[in-house]
Amino acid sequence: AAGVIQSPRHLIKEKRETATLKCYPIPRHDTVYWYQQGPGQDPQFLISFYEKMQSDKGSIPDRFSAQQFSDYHSELNMSSLELGDSALYFCATADRGGAGDEQFFGPGTRLTVL
Amino acid sequence: GESVGLHLPTLSVQEGDNSIINCAYSNSASDYFIWYKQESGKGPQFIIDIRSNMDKRQGQRVTVLLNKTVKHLSLQIAATQPGDSAVYFCAEKPSGGSNYKLTFGKGTLLTVNP
Repeated sequence: AAGVIQSPRHLIKEKRETATLKCYPIPRHDTVYWYQQGPGQDPQFLISFYEKMQSDKGSIPDRFSAQQFSDYHSELNMSSLELGDSALYFCATADRGGAGDEQFFGPGTRLTVL
Repeated sequence: GESVGLHLPTLSVQEGDNSIINCAYSNSASDYFIWYKQESGKGPQFIIDIRSNMDKRQGQRVTVLLNKTVKHLSLQIAATQPGDSAVYFCAEKPSGGSNYKLTFGKGTLLTVNP
């Protein structure tokens, strides 16, 4: 079965650079959630999109922005990177239009900021 | 035990024993709870879920118990196997509106000794 795809899987950037993380949902999933997970921490919700509109916002820094495109994939744009942004970034997708509650997680992007 | 800083609560069991992982959730308005398993370097993987109108749900080798009175969730794994070694997170979703984001609890590291 198709799963959530995230790219790149690993990314190394320097401070003050920018990064773009991509998430491709499971086919027919209309909702994307972004989470950040620091070392030894639980995933923290950043932002979500439903049918290409932002649906909820969590602890996302102003330096970050995201959007969902017409094909339902989503991109998380991160600017002015800081050392503390080093983390695993997961997206999860769901079929909310089908009233599904379960979120399916991707394999994550490991971002390292040097 | 309580997690402090980067230290996860840990549970070490022998192969074949039963494991019980506990989670205290914070929002009495949450109506949907999920247990996720996360192996090193991978995204959270759905194990089992339960709605607030239930107090017990069973899956294959796993059982989730929900005590709404004390806002406590537990995951029981029967006949624990080495492949069960991972970090386990509980997550909750508040009821109502468009708030579908998940709030994760602190993970528990399960180590299964052969």
